[in-house]
Amino acid sequence: NAGVMQNPRHLVRRRGQEARLRCSPMKGHSHVYWYRQLPEEGLKFMVYLQKENIIDESGMPKERFSAEFPKEGPSILRIQQVVRGDSAAYFCASSPTGHSYNEQFFGPGTRLTVL
Amino acid sequence: AQTVTQSQPEMSVQEAETVTLSCTYDTSENNYYLFWYKQPPSRQMILVIRQEAYKQQNATENRFSVNFQKAAKSFSLKISDSQLGDTAMYFCAFIATGANSKLTFGKGITLSVRP
Repeated sequence: NAGVMQNPRHLVRRRGQEARLRCSPMKGHSHVYWYRQLPEEGLKFMVYLQKENIIDESGMPKERFSAEFPKEGPSILRIQQVVRGDSAAYFCASSPTGHSYNEQFFGPGTRLTVL
Repeated sequence: AQTVTQSQPEMSVQEAETVTLSCTYDTSENNYYLFWYKQPPSRQMILVIRQEAYKQQNATENRFSVNFQKAAKSFSLKISDSQLGDTAMYFCAFIATGANSKLTFGKGITLSVRP
């Protein structure tokens, strides 16, 4: 049973470009969480999705950021018109249900560098 | 809202010795889970240990154990017989019991194990 997959592992973008980060949850998991880790900081919650639904996006910036988890395919975190402050590691986690008693399994992260 | 505080930015321990990492948290919730995650240089987030708030008995996992003081809102991690592979960042995290909950992380502590 493969773990949570994220790609790319490293992404370099110039200011103003778009970044697309992909997350494939573990098999059987239909709940996905995105977290952002700024340098020297802990992970901060961004958005929680279930298949085809955004459940909680309270941690996501209102502008330039969007997330989706379609019926088929991976979850996508999209950042439009990237700025230097978007440089961070973005982690995806998945769980079989959205309940807190289920462990969230983390992917290896995508490190985004904005030049 | 919950907050998790890790006030020690870094610690160092001699191989084979014991080290304790501190964590405090603040919440108005009565039921919740607490976690310690390890992030080695690979940046993969690895769950080390988990504690349910309703359990008085402290969780243990091999060389890792916690000291959970609910009234004091304190949750420290003890690593016995430290090994070189324990060198990593360690994050304390909180999640409220229930559906649609998200993890709240502390800033982390860098642990170095000296040979």
